[in-house]
Amino acid sequence: DADVTQTPRNRITKTGKRIMLECSQTKGHDRMYWYRQDPGLGLRLIYYSFDVKDINKGEISDGYSVSRQAQAKFSLSLESAIPNQTALYFCATSDRTADGEQYFGPGTRLTVT
Amino acid sequence: ILNVEQSPQSLHVQEGDSTNFTCSFPSSNFYALHWYRWETAKSPEALFVMTLNGDEKKKGRISATLNTKEGYSYLYIKGSQPEDSATYLCAFQAGTALIFGKGTTLSVSS
Repeated sequence: DADVTQTPRNRITKTGKRIMLECSQTKGHDRMYWYRQDPGLGLRLIYYSFDVKDINKGEISDGYSVSRQAQAKFSLSLESAIPNQTALYFCATSDRTADGEQYFGPGTRLTVT
Repeated sequence: ILNVEQSPQSLHVQEGDSTNFTCSFPSSNFYALHWYRWETAKSPEALFVMTLNGDEKKKGRISATLNTKEGYSYLYIKGSQPEDSATYLCAFQAGTALIFGKGTTLSVSS
C-alpha cells in the first residue's frame, strides 16, 4: 500500500463550488505539505503543517484553506473554486529532521470549469 | 523573492550518453538542497538531500555535487538509459519550506 495517499485522484468541478482534497499518510511523519503544479512552473507550496496544532501559509495560500485533522491527515479546501485553480495538486510528508526528504502522494488532478 | 533556476529546461540524449544539469540557488541562508526525480504519471521521488558545501552524493549512475558558496549544484547521469527519462527537480531549503525550480526534462532515446 502507498505510504501517502490522496483522494480524489481526479476531479472536475464548477466555478464557485467548494471542494476538499484529502491526504493521508502511514509514514508516521509530523510534517505535511500541499503543493500545486502548473505547466511550465515548478511545484509551489500552498500550506504546510509541522504538527496537528501548527499550520503555516506557503507561497500561494490565497483561495485555499487547510485542516490537519490528525497527524496522518491533512486536507486542502477550495472554498469557492475558480478556473485558475485548475492544476495538479500534490500532498507530501517529511520527518522532523530539518533536511528531511519529502515523500509525495500520487497527485490530484483538479479541473475547474 | 528566492529564485531557483534549473538549466537546461529540457534535454534529449541517446542511450549511453552521459549528461549533467545545473541548479542555481541563492547563496545566502542555505540549509539544504534537494534533488527529486519525477517520472510522467508518477509522483516526485527524492534522489539526494545535500547540506554541506562540497558534498558529493551518488546513487547508481546518478551523482550530484554542491557548491553553497557560489550557489549551484550539478546532477550527473552516467551512461543514460531510457528509464532515466524523467523531469529532474531541485529544491532549495532556506528554512522550513522548499522552493522548487521548474525542472529539467530529460528524454533518452534507445
